[in-house]
Amino acid sequence: AQTVTQSQPEMSVQEAETVTLSCTYDTSESDYYLFWYKQPPSRQMILVIRQEAYKQQNATENRFSVNFQKAAKSFSLKISDSQLGDAAMYFCASRGATNKLIFGTGTLLAVQP
Amino acid sequence: KAGVTQTPRYLIKTRGQQVTLSCSPISGHRSVSWYQQTPGQGLQFLFEYFSETQRNKGNFPGRFSGRQFSNSRSEMNVSTLELGDSALYLCASSLQRTSGGRFHEQYFGPGTRLTVT
Repeated sequence: AQTVTQSQPEMSVQEAETVTLSCTYDTSESDYYLFWYKQPPSRQMILVIRQEAYKQQNATENRFSVNFQKAAKSFSLKISDSQLGDAAMYFCASRGATNKLIFGTGTLLAVQP
Repeated sequence: KAGVTQTPRYLIKTRGQQVTLSCSPISGHRSVSWYQQTPGQGLQFLFEYFSETQRNKGNFPGRFSGRQFSNSRSEMNVSTLELGDSALYLCASSLQRTSGGRFHEQYFGPGTRLTVT
């Protein structure tokens, strides 16, 4: 069985600063993917970044990067130069051999001007 | 290319009634997955359809069912509605199912907000 845990229900960051959201996971699958999704108040879920478990190199997408620690089963998201538009609920998720996503409980990120 | 569309966007039903929600995937996408989002349980996988066949099912009672048509559009049905079925129902589509290590991104629709009174 797969589980995803996000221990930070809420986080706050000042505009232009950096924030890190935490996520731990557990899976019995050898091949899996990890994701961070963003859900703004409009509710449309958007993929922020993904990491293939077999890749050692941490994924990066512009201001978003991950710290993937496979042995520790940790997958944190770093947002650099935070912007007001980054305010949203962020979900960590895992996916194995199927299209079934397992989500964490989410972290609500507030960005202070 | 148009994104994933879900209809209706908002729905109010009474306990005991049934409801049908619709999802139109991105053109060319063949896999459709459904998720239920509630404040208490978070995001939970309902089922996945590919080529008109249910490929995967979450841990939901038989009152929740779905189907997929030949044009990949999908519907989910909830019979004998309960108050606890009030939720945001999200649909996600992808080009193919993940297989052989080849990744296919899932794109989410805006959701259908169902309120059961």
